[in-house]
Amino acid sequence: GQQVMQIPQYQHVQEGEDFTTYCNSSTTLSNIQWYKQRPGGHPVFLIQLVKSGEVKKQKRLTFQFGEAKKNSSLHITATQTTDVGTYFCAGQETSGSRLTFGEGTQLTVNP
Amino acid sequence: EAGVAQSPRYKIIEKRQSVAFWCNPISGHATLYWYQQILGQGPKLLIQFQNNGVVDDSQLPKDRFSAERLKGVDSTLKIQPAKLEDSAVYLCASSLALFGGYTFGSGTRLTVV
Repeated sequence: GQQVMQIPQYQHVQEGEDFTTYCNSSTTLSNIQWYKQRPGGHPVFLIQLVKSGEVKKQKRLTFQFGEAKKNSSLHITATQTTDVGTYFCAGQETSGSRLTFGEGTQLTVNP
Repeated sequence: EAGVAQSPRYKIIEKRQSVAFWCNPISGHATLYWYQQILGQGPKLLIQFQNNGVVDDSQLPKDRFSAERLKGVDSTLKIQPAKLEDSAVYLCASSLALFGGYTFGSGTRLTVV
């Protein structure tokens, strides 16, 4: 079955530093989604990428979808303490509608 | 708009007991999902409904888990009998379309002792 892998598992940064998490799928995706889960909270939808090579920005967050539609990245510029949480990528295969989540990258930001 | 409602928020049961969770999706969202999230892991799909029909239940342990979505609106997920490894957060989500962002509820944290 489809597997979605994320690295790193944990990332500790000083406030103001940049942060990047990477996501790789074992199969070609129709789209990839990114979610943020604050400690003790539930996943909150951030964005969906559909097109090969697509790049989208949300303020300090930049999302990329690979040319082969099998990998993606999330980059945060100048992290803030409000960025703390676990970031999940989730992919939908071209052959079905199941959304498979990665294991997440837990971000800690030291003030 | 109102979010996805789930109850209860917390539940503690002994192994071999039964438990049920309830979910009311966002009004108008035809697709409803139940996910299981074990501590430190990503959410794992248990079952997906489109209106009141099952789209995907291939990862649902059907010997002990069951779910229904009568009338295509709210849904219940049941575990009977519970095992220790069922301790997790059970998240309900809904979406307007099959390919689009999901809105998750706050989840039910289940502890099996």
